[in-house]
Amino acid sequence: DSGVTQTPKHLITATGQRVTLRCSPRSGDLSVYWYQQSLDQGLQFLIQYYNGEERAKGNILERFSAQQFPDLHSELNLSSLELGDSALYFCASSPDGLGNEQYFGPGTRLTVT
Amino acid sequence: GQNIDQPTEMTATEGAIVQINCTYQTSGFNGLFWYQQHAGEAPTFLSYNVLDGLEEKGRFSSFLSRSKGYSYLLLKELQMKDSASYLCAVRARPNFGNEKLTFGTGTRLTIIP
Repeated sequence: DSGVTQTPKHLITATGQRVTLRCSPRSGDLSVYWYQQSLDQGLQFLIQYYNGEERAKGNILERFSAQQFPDLHSELNLSSLELGDSALYFCASSPDGLGNEQYFGPGTRLTVT
Repeated sequence: GQNIDQPTEMTATEGAIVQINCTYQTSGFNGLFWYQQHAGEAPTFLSYNVLDGLEEKGRFSSFLSRSKGYSYLLLKELQMKDSASYLCAVRARPNFGNEKLTFGTGTRLTIIP
């Protein structure tokens, strides 16, 4: 158990819908990272927040957005969902903004039908 | 952009040694990471290299040569539980822009008795 929690574990929704994934980092960790993992593309970095502020951006679509709240939990919002958005979404946390050692949550499996 | 190459699959024998290679091309290199991921589970951090040389951590060691854009993960005294995917990831700040972490597609290692 890494200490990072993610909810929900599984999510099934239809195309065009919007969902919100939630992540609580390890106690004391200030950085949160979001990743998407699909079978054909491997693990893709989406976005990083550090102490409430966006720190780095990866291959995140405009339909996706994220935020980190004052209590340091984070939410990833996915809108206008497409079949291709079906994937495992991982959240990771690290104590600082450098991310030299990231602790991954168990992931949310999103299925878009 | 960043380009990371690692073998797709490898097989090794229990008790033996295996070396998983990773080559990368990037500008603004700022660290190389190895993660282990068992099927259906979250990645777990194994090692981090930012300077040339060997980092040893128990049965696992990781080597980096920045001039060659090359790293390897060495696993000794292989155990059946080492069967997993091993992900090489490179952190870089290309053109002094946004820092990005890019993962390779992973090497699926199978340990046989």
